[in-house]
Amino acid sequence: DAGVIQSPRHEVTEMGQEVTLRCKPISGHNSLFWYRQTMMRGLELLIYFNNNVPIDDSGMPEDRFSAKMPNASFSTLKIQPSEPRDSAVYFCASTASSGAYNEQFFGPGTRLTVL
Amino acid sequence: KNQVEQSPQSLIILEGKNCTLQCNYTVSPFSNLRWYKQDTGRGPVSLTIMTFSENTKSNGRYTATLDADTKQSSLHITASQLSDSASYICVVTNTGGFKTIFGAGTRLFVKA
Repeated sequence: DAGVIQSPRHEVTEMGQEVTLRCKPISGHNSLFWYRQTMMRGLELLIYFNNNVPIDDSGMPEDRFSAKMPNASFSTLKIQPSEPRDSAVYFCASTASSGAYNEQFFGPGTRLTVL
Repeated sequence: KNQVEQSPQSLIILEGKNCTLQCNYTVSPFSNLRWYKQDTGRGPVSLTIMTFSENTKSNGRYTATLDADTKQSSLHITASQLSDSASYICVVTNTGGFKTIFGAGTRLFVKA
């Protein structure tokens, strides 16, 4: 099992540019989560999908952030335009069910630096 | 307000010693509490998960306790190893709205 796959692992971009982060969940998992982690705020849930449908996007900080899940094996988190305060590590996680008890498996994260 | 507070913020111990990390929460209504271990540069990995009716759960040298009345949890690490050096994050989920609240974590350093 390859686990949750994220790409790129590192991204450095300039303010104002569009950034797209990618995630492939574990095969068979039907819930997918996007998190952001910073030293100041720790881990924050941005959005989660169940069966490819966005269920809760209340954690998305601004309209500059958008997420899609066109199919069960792929999701993107897009930031347009990016700002220096978006610099963080972005994690994707998946779980086999939307139930709160189920373990979430995290990917290795994408470290984003916006200059 | 739903909150999860962890203490201490950081901890340094000698290899072979035991330690206990604390987690207090105000998340309501409570569904479950998890402890995650996060190595530097990696995503969090689940250590334990406990529901309202569970008081203790072990995973090797890691033992988590839960007191749902006082809304406190602890993670006890026995006979620490250098590989235990990591951040330990307490995560509480409520029922219904599937709100997950993360603690800020405790940074553990195990020294030889």
